[in-house]
Amino acid sequence: DTEVTQTPKHLVMGMTNKKSLKCEQHMGHRAMYWYKQKAKKPPELMFVYSYEKLSINESVPSRFSPECPNSSLLNLHLHALQPEDSALYLCASSQHGRASNQPQHFGDGTRLSIL
Amino acid sequence: TQLLEQSPQFLSIQEGENLTVYCNSSSVFSSLQWYRQEPGEGPVLLVTVVTGGEVKKLKRLTFQFGDARKDSSLHITAAQPGDTGLYLCAALETGSARQLTFGSGTQLTVLP
Repeated sequence: DTEVTQTPKHLVMGMTNKKSLKCEQHMGHRAMYWYKQKAKKPPELMFVYSYEKLSINESVPSRFSPECPNSSLLNLHLHALQPEDSALYLCASSQHGRASNQPQHFGDGTRLSIL
Repeated sequence: TQLLEQSPQFLSIQEGENLTVYCNSSSVFSSLQWYRQEPGEGPVLLVTVVTGGEVKKLKRLTFQFGDARKDSSLHITAAQPGDTGLYLCAALETGSARQLTFGSGTQLTVLP
């Protein structure tokens, strides 16, 4: 079982809907991430939060809006998505510090389908 | 941006065969990680290599970090159907943000 919990596991939504993806970790990690992954491709970084502050936004369209309410929670708000946004959305967390070999712990993702 | 190239991209083998996956870059890394991702799940860390020339073993999996810390390999002995999955190498970019760069991935299928 993963220590990073993502809900829902599956989500089907229309292009005019508003929905949110949720991610939770209780490992005391202070860095959290959102990735987008297409089938059989590597994850693509979307956002990085460090100490609850957005530190990286990889030119993601504004129809994706991240939120970090506290150090354990990370949300991704979705609005007016396009069919090409259908993918697996992965959340990850890691300890924050100077060491460069700290691994990222991934959740099992939310499989998103846009109709 | 540091670029990680993996080869092969796809690999389909019979149970019991051996295989090697490569991860190459022109950049030097302080460390490199290998992940395996099974269908319907997120990537799971297999190993982190830190020292040039380092070799780590995890049951039938052997990981090696190149002497110059620019490349790495993953060797699987006597592959089993349970080894099927997407294998990803990854390295942390330099800088203050903990940004992980993934390799292009190797999709391994082990047939019974």
